[in-house]
Amino acid sequence: EAGVAQSPRYKIIEKRQSVAFWCNPISGHATLYWYQQILGQGPKLLIQFQNNGVVDDSQLPKDRFSAERLKGVDSTLKIQPAKLEDSAVYLCASSLHQGTAYEQYFGPGTRLTVT
Amino acid sequence: GQQLNQSPQSMFIQEGEDVSMNCTSSSIFNTWLWYKQDPGEGPVLLIALYKAGELTSNGRLTAQFGITRKDSFLNISASIPSDVGIYFCAGHHRDNYGQNFVFGPGTRLSVLP
Repeated sequence: EAGVAQSPRYKIIEKRQSVAFWCNPISGHATLYWYQQILGQGPKLLIQFQNNGVVDDSQLPKDRFSAERLKGVDSTLKIQPAKLEDSAVYLCASSLHQGTAYEQYFGPGTRLTVT
Repeated sequence: GQQLNQSPQSMFIQEGEDVSMNCTSSSIFNTWLWYKQDPGEGPVLLIALYKAGELTSNGRLTAQFGITRKDSFLNISASIPSDVGIYFCAGHHRDNYGQNFVFGPGTRLSVLP
């Protein structure tokens, strides 16, 4: 069974530029999560989708971050404009459905460096 | 919001030794989970605990869900070099108002040959 795929693996941008990350969850997983992991910290949940609807985006900085999952499969997370403090690894995870949120499978992450 | 504390922050042990690490919270959780993260990879689920007092094993790993629902521990027996990594606890809480999923800051484990 293929795991969660993410791209790109690495991205370096200058502050005030825009960036987008892509995630393809495990086939059949209805719930998708985006996390931000700052160096030396645990992952922090940014947004959770159930199919193509947002379940929780309470910790998403909505003035600069946006995410979508239009067809209920792939998802894109965008930052516009980026700030230095956005430097982090952005992890995507999926679970079978919202009731199994505790059994999440993570992708390898995208490491973002903002200079 | 809810926060988790993990101890120790880091530890160095000799190969073959047993390891113990803790996770505590000021809030209760319905589910406790333990993940391991290798460099450049996403966290991988090791053990999930669903009931207060539950003790669960996965090979050389044993974890327990505290009676108060505010803590959990993870033990690794007879450590080997591939145990090196960062171990995260995570708490999941679900009620009529929604759900919350929180990670601790991690315990970094180094195994010396």
